[in-house]
Amino acid sequence: EIVLTQSPATVSLSPGERVTLSCRASQSISNWLAWYQQKPGQAPRLLIYDASNRATGIPARFSGSGSGTDFTLTISSLEPEDFAVYYCQQRSDWYTFGQGTKLEIK
Amino acid sequence: QITLKESGPTLVKPTQALTLTCTFSGFSLSTSGVGVGWVRQPPGKALEWLAVIYWDDDTRYSPSLKSRLTITKGTSRNQVVLTMSNMDPVDTATYYCTRIAATKSSDPFDVWGQGTMLTVSS
Repeated sequence: EIVLTQSPATVSLSPGERVTLSCRASQSISNWLAWYQQKPGQAPRLLIYDASNRATGIPARFSGSGSGTDFTLTISSLEPEDFAVYYCQQRSDWYTFGQGTKLEIK
Repeated sequence: QITLKESGPTLVKPTQALTLTCTFSGFSLSTSGVGVGWVRQPPGKALEWLAVIYWDDDTRYSPSLKSRLTITKGTSRNQVVLTMSNMDPVDTATYYCTRIAATKSSDPFDVWGQGTMLTVSS
């Protein structure tokens, strides 16, 4: 089973700052990685697919990169609505999610 | 507009079976590259993928829950049904239905239902 490890678990920042979230796979997954944002009481929302492609309607401040085992999600300048929990997800012969990174307001 | 909506009981007793229905609109599960899956989230915890059914009737299950899960297309063309046997209090969670875009390399879950909260308790 491929395990996804996200870091950090929690990060505290202010609006306007830049943040990079990490997702590491226990073995190579090519570019088979997606990122989701989840706000309290809401369903997750797809942000990035195939490691670096923004989903429809996702602002350009969100970007994804990486391949193989190491992936990052970068938000270039945080907006108040970006404070949420972020999950990565991979697909190999089945699907798994990381444990999530909580992005909180400092 | 693509929508998915979960329906089912809000409370089940331990050892009972659970049946959840996903009713969707705006797409067809007969279209090549489309799947419908289920993901759950215990309170305060991470997302956990459960099962998926694809346009070609192929199904996949989480290895840890495979013996308890069955996913099928519903009698109505716009429904998918998930059954889970032998429910336990640890199965208490919000259950989400999602569309899977299997035409993309990472099979992203690109549209989600609002989720349905289930409690398992006697």
